[in-house]
Amino acid sequence: DTAVSQTPKYLVTQMGNDKSIKCEQNLGHDTMYWYKQDSKKFLKIMFSYNNKELIINETVPNRFSPKSPDKAHLNLHINSLELGDSAVYFCASSGRAGVEQFFGPGTRLTVL
Amino acid sequence: GESVGLHLPTLSVQEGDNSIINCAYSNSASDYFIWYKQESGKGPQFIIDIRSNMDKRQGQRVTVLLNKTVKHLSLQIAATQPGDSAVYFCAEKAGSARQLTFGSGTQLTVLP
Repeated sequence: DTAVSQTPKYLVTQMGNDKSIKCEQNLGHDTMYWYKQDSKKFLKIMFSYNNKELIINETVPNRFSPKSPDKAHLNLHINSLELGDSAVYFCASSGRAGVEQFFGPGTRLTVL
Repeated sequence: GESVGLHLPTLSVQEGDNSIINCAYSNSASDYFIWYKQESGKGPQFIIDIRSNMDKRQGQRVTVLLNKTVKHLSLQIAATQPGDSAVYFCAEKAGSARQLTFGSGTQLTVLP
């Protein structure tokens, strides 16, 4: 069984559109994350979230917003997509320590 | 700002040899240092971590060394196998925050 799953795996869209990426974890973890990986493989935290607090990386544009319907899900909504948003987005989850994080398979977003 | 960096972007080793991947960090406040492996088309996978009050930790075929004097972290892989071919990231975690700061990655290629 997949521990952390994301959908879709590939997302191709036009500039200016709004899109969402879904993430689910079945590990019972209380913290979930979104990361962005650019073309040079650099991996950068965007958000971390548990049922108590949302921590936002200050460099993330406010066009990006995480939405958590419940503890097992953390979706990423992106408004007014720009060319520079093209990247691979990874969802992850962890227990309280946050050291060992379990990553999903990634969503490759291409903005045309 | 604080950053985690790697000395070499690529490393090629012969199958059966030992591999050493290096990482320099600058945040003295980090209390955990972690290594992740990312295979092509997949999300990063936790390998091993080390607390800042330790200088060595061993896992299965892997050893992590921490030198706080020179702010240097290394991952040693014994008897490197084709399945070890991947991008390796070092990461650090500071204090109670659950967010990780990742380095830029090293591509390890195992030659037959």
